[in-house]
Amino acid sequence: AQSVAQPEDQVNVAEGNPLTVKCTYSVSGNPYLFWYVQYPNRGLQFLLKYITGDNLVKGSYGFEAEFNKSQTSFHLKKPSALVSDSALYFCAVRAPNDYKLSFGAGTTVTVRA
Amino acid sequence: SAVISQKPSRDICQRGTSLTIQCQVDSQVTMMFWYRQQPGQSLTLIATANQGSEATYESGFVIDKFPISRPNLTFSTLTVSNMSPEDSSIYLCSVIPGQGANEQFFGPGTRLTVL
Repeated sequence: AQSVAQPEDQVNVAEGNPLTVKCTYSVSGNPYLFWYVQYPNRGLQFLLKYITGDNLVKGSYGFEAEFNKSQTSFHLKKPSALVSDSALYFCAVRAPNDYKLSFGAGTTVTVRA
Repeated sequence: SAVISQKPSRDICQRGTSLTIQCQVDSQVTMMFWYRQQPGQSLTLIATANQGSEATYESGFVIDKFPISRPNLTFSTLTVSNMSPEDSSIYLCSVIPGQGANEQFFGPGTRLTVL
């Protein structure tokens, strides 16, 4: 079975400060990892993915994530947060031979001006 | 990527009725999925919509309650049958655009409220 844990329900940061959203996973085999963002009353938007290669992946809107195999983590980061980054963030994982995604519970990010 | 639209965007329905949600993609895609997002919750996969054959349902979801059609590679429908207030959720379709793609792209969702 595969699963994702997002240990923080909420993350609050000031605009301009670094933002980190934590994610750990469990899956059989090499993980395919994804981050999505959901703005109020909108669908999920794909931010970035890790499939293979460099452990640091860059994505949309200045976000990046670091894959750490030993810690089974895939934390989302942004060096300087914007108020417009306030949204609900989901981490997801799947196994290489299965298209089914398992999502974490989500983390609500609030960036204050 | 793929551009995905869903109809309706939202609806308020009475208990015991059924609602059919449409998902249209701007290009042919191999894989299509239907998810449910209950209020304040994460996403749960309902089923994989298979073109030309019966959908593959996840544990806890059955065809009688959530019949799915996929007549071609760009379109699918999900029906929520005999609704109860517990069916109040956001329903999202997603696709994997094509060969070699790994990420899923999601539609804007259908917000369903059952009274």
